[in-house]
Amino acid sequence: AQSVAQPEDQVNVAEGNPLTVKCTYSVSGNPYLFWYVQYPNRGLQFLLKYITGDNLVKGSYGFEAEFNKSQTSFHLKKPSALVSDSALYFCAVRAHLSRYSGAGSYQLTFGKGTKLSVIP
Amino acid sequence: DAGVIQSPRHEVTEMGQEVTLRCKPISGHDYLFWYRQTMMRGLELLIYFNNNVPIDDSGMPEDRFSAKMPNASFSTLKIQPSEPRDSAVYFCASSRGQGAYEQYFGPGTRLTVT
Repeated sequence: AQSVAQPEDQVNVAEGNPLTVKCTYSVSGNPYLFWYVQYPNRGLQFLLKYITGDNLVKGSYGFEAEFNKSQTSFHLKKPSALVSDSALYFCAVRAHLSRYSGAGSYQLTFGKGTKLSVIP
Repeated sequence: DAGVIQSPRHEVTEMGQEVTLRCKPISGHDYLFWYRQTMMRGLELLIYFNNNVPIDDSGMPEDRFSAKMPNASFSTLKIQPSEPRDSAVYFCASSRGQGAYEQYFGPGTRLTVT
């Protein structure tokens, strides 16, 4: 079974400071990893993903994430936080599929979410 | 592209009533997903379709829940009869394919059952 852990329910950071939202995962084989952001009363919005190759992935709104296979982590980062970055952030994982994968293998497993608050 | 469209955005109903949630996926996407989000349980996958065929409905809570996808541009999630514990935000999402493809979410339907 695959799983995602976001160890912090909430992260507070001052505007202009760097931010990190942590994510670790567990999956059989190689992972596809995703970050989504959810603003109040809105659906989840795709930020970035890791498929293969370069461990540092750049996404929307200046966000980036670093894939670390040995630590099974995919932390979300941004060099300088904005107040408008305040939202709920979700990490998600899916295993690479094979012809032997069952129907449920396509499921995207989400973490519980981390609430980011950027303080002016 | 208009993105994933869901209706209604808000639904308030009384216990025992039938509720139907609607979703129009992004054109060209062949996977459609229904999720439920609550404070207690987070984001849960209820069911997903590939080319209009239900593939995995193991997340559907019980027989009161049913979902259909009669064509590539429309899906419904029905709850009959509804109960107060069904109160949640229900999201529909679609994607172009499997594997590395990201899912695109609709704005959600906030359901309140009194």
